[in-house]
Amino acid sequence: DQQVKQNSPSLSVQEGRISILNCDYTNSMFDYFLWYKKYPAEGPTFLISISSIKDKNEDGRFTVFLNKSAKHLSLHIVPSQPGDSAVYFCAARESGTYKYIFGTGTRLKVLA
Amino acid sequence: GAVVSQHPSRVICKSGTSVKIECRSLDFQATTMFWYRQFPKQSLMLMATSNEGSKATYEQGVEKDKFLINHASLTLSTLTVTSAHPEDSSFYICSAIQAPSGYNEQFFGPGTRLTVL
Repeated sequence: DQQVKQNSPSLSVQEGRISILNCDYTNSMFDYFLWYKKYPAEGPTFLISISSIKDKNEDGRFTVFLNKSAKHLSLHIVPSQPGDSAVYFCAARESGTYKYIFGTGTRLKVLA
Repeated sequence: GAVVSQHPSRVICKSGTSVKIECRSLDFQATTMFWYRQFPKQSLMLMATSNEGSKATYEQGVEKDKFLINHASLTLSTLTVTSAHPEDSSFYICSAIQAPSGYNEQFFGPGTRLTVL
């Protein structure tokens, strides 16, 4: 049973436009969420996080939104750049643990 | 920032041999490290949680006798794939939590590509 889902395996966006990556979860005990970016044959790189007590966190071009009632979070990248092309994973942490559950990833391609 | 290294980055071995993968936190102490594996076009799957000085906690379905984990110091954890078979071929990634703070974020190593012939 996949507790964290990224239903879009891929996304293409024109350079300069907004990229929106979505993530849904089923476990109401998740209390912390992360977004990671991953290039092929490399480890994931932390992008941005959000606690379950917040609904928005912004860091430069990256903004994460959390809708707890819908069990949905999204990552907005604006403006998108070709260097943003990578696979993006969302991850959710079970309350009281260090354990993160990862989504299946969305491959973002930013077209120049 | 916190840096995690892995060695080797790639390894090719014959079926039946054992392979050791090292995970090091270079500039911080990591009381807890995690081992993941990733199959092509799939998510990172947590294999085990490794705490310094104690036995690793394995996720359901992961054979602890096949994937031996040792966390002997605050900067080093090792994963040994014993009697490797072609189905063990995968991308193995470790991550670490910076102690005593930083429980929210895991720092990942660059990964190790294991190919078993």
